Amino acid sequence: DAGITQSPRHKVTETGTPVTLRCHQTENHRYMYWYRQDPGHGLRLIHYSYGVKDTDKGEVSDGYSVSRSKTEDFLLTLESATSSQTSVYFCAIRLAGATDTQYFGPGTRLTVL
Amino acid sequence: GENVEQHPSTLSVQEGDSAVIKCTYSDSASNYFPWYKQELGKGPQLIIDIRSNVGEKKDQRIAVTLNKTAKHFSLHITETQPEDSAVYFCAASKSTDKLIFGTGTRLQVFP
Repeated sequence: DAGITQSPRHKVTETGTPVTLRCHQTENHRYMYWYRQDPGHGLRLIHYSYGVKDTDKGEVSDGYSVSRSKTEDFLLTLESATSSQTSVYFCAIRLAGATDTQYFGPGTRLTVL
Repeated sequence: GENVEQHPSTLSVQEGDSAVIKCTYSDSASNYFPWYKQELGKGPQLIIDIRSNVGEKKDQRIAVTLNKTAKHFSLHITETQPEDSAVYFCAASKSTDKLIFGTGTRLQVFP
């Protein structure tokens, strides 16, 4: 998993509660990404980061915020979780240099009741 | 924006047969096309990728072809084995930041 860990791996929460998912990498990669995976939709980009404190929105960013205060950690926050945010969330990194290749972490399964 | 369609959604083959998965993209400026394999409970793993300046790329039993004129690309797996059973995703990108994924193909290889 290219040195990527995600925590927690599983979480069940209730509608309206805040939730933070963590992506941690050990290899000093500059670019990090958050995706969600839902049946029939493949993987969709939520937010991404191109450096400490530098983030941008993806195609499904509504209801999500991110923070990156240090290179190794990229946090995804659901300020007030809704049932539509029940999904599997994947973090990815991109290798520096000419390659466009993204490598994915093991995922976090989030259930919002 | 870019849109990627992937077919079929499920594919069943006998061990030893070939499997082909096809994707089409909408943005002619897309220039990078990776394929990922996802096993149950795991994250997607890159298996092969191709860039727009190349028409075909092979890696052992796996090959990818790209037709820029028709805006489609395909994954070919030869001599399939039970361990090839997984969900496969194609993706397209015209920048290094935004991969647009297809909806996935569940491949089952029967012994």
